[in-house]
Amino acid sequence: DTGVSQDPRHKITKRGQNVTFRCDPISEHNRLYWYRQTLGQGPEFLTYFQNEAQLEKSRLLSDRFSAERPKGSFSTLEIQRTEQGDSAMYLCASSRPGREVLFFGPGTRLTVL
Amino acid sequence: QQQVKQSPQSLIVQKGGISIINCAYENTAFDYFPWYQQFPGKGPALLIAIRPDVSEKKEGRFTISFNKSAKQFSLHIMDSQPGDSATYFCAASMEYGNKLVFGAGTILRVKS
Repeated sequence: DTGVSQDPRHKITKRGQNVTFRCDPISEHNRLYWYRQTLGQGPEFLTYFQNEAQLEKSRLLSDRFSAERPKGSFSTLEIQRTEQGDSAMYLCASSRPGREVLFFGPGTRLTVL
Repeated sequence: QQQVKQSPQSLIVQKGGISIINCAYENTAFDYFPWYQQFPGKGPALLIAIRPDVSEKKEGRFTISFNKSAKQFSLHIMDSQPGDSATYFCAASMEYGNKLVFGAGTILRVKS
């Protein structure tokens, strides 16, 4: 396994701008998760996919957030009209079919000025 | 109902000592309780996990103790080493690791 990769690792943007993050899961992992982690807190669940289907979204995922996983491979998380409260680490994780272990990527740190 | 409460917030232990981190949960539907370790600049990595049908699980220097009636579980790190210095998160979920609910984390520092 080469591990979960995320791009970019850091993103600084101005309030009101749109940003998009990418996650490449471990190959053959059919489940992909997005979490958000703010300073001093544990990761909070945002959404997850099984293959290309988005099966659940947290209430934390406002209508400014959208996630996609075309063809069940990589995933993108887009935040429109960013707000300062969106500043956080966005973590992606993947897991094998029927397995409990989530493998997390290094995260994308977003700073909204 | 969905919260997992973790304590302490930070912990300093001497090398060779025992580090103990505690978590409590409310939702009795939780059936999977992992502990994750996170180093600065890295994503969390699974350390050890337990299901509620056992009261204890040990892997090397790491042990989870689980008290179903009290709805509490704890991580014990024996012979703590400076390399164990990291942030530790307890978590819980209702199904196969989906929607893991994390505690707030404990910053562990092991002094050499």
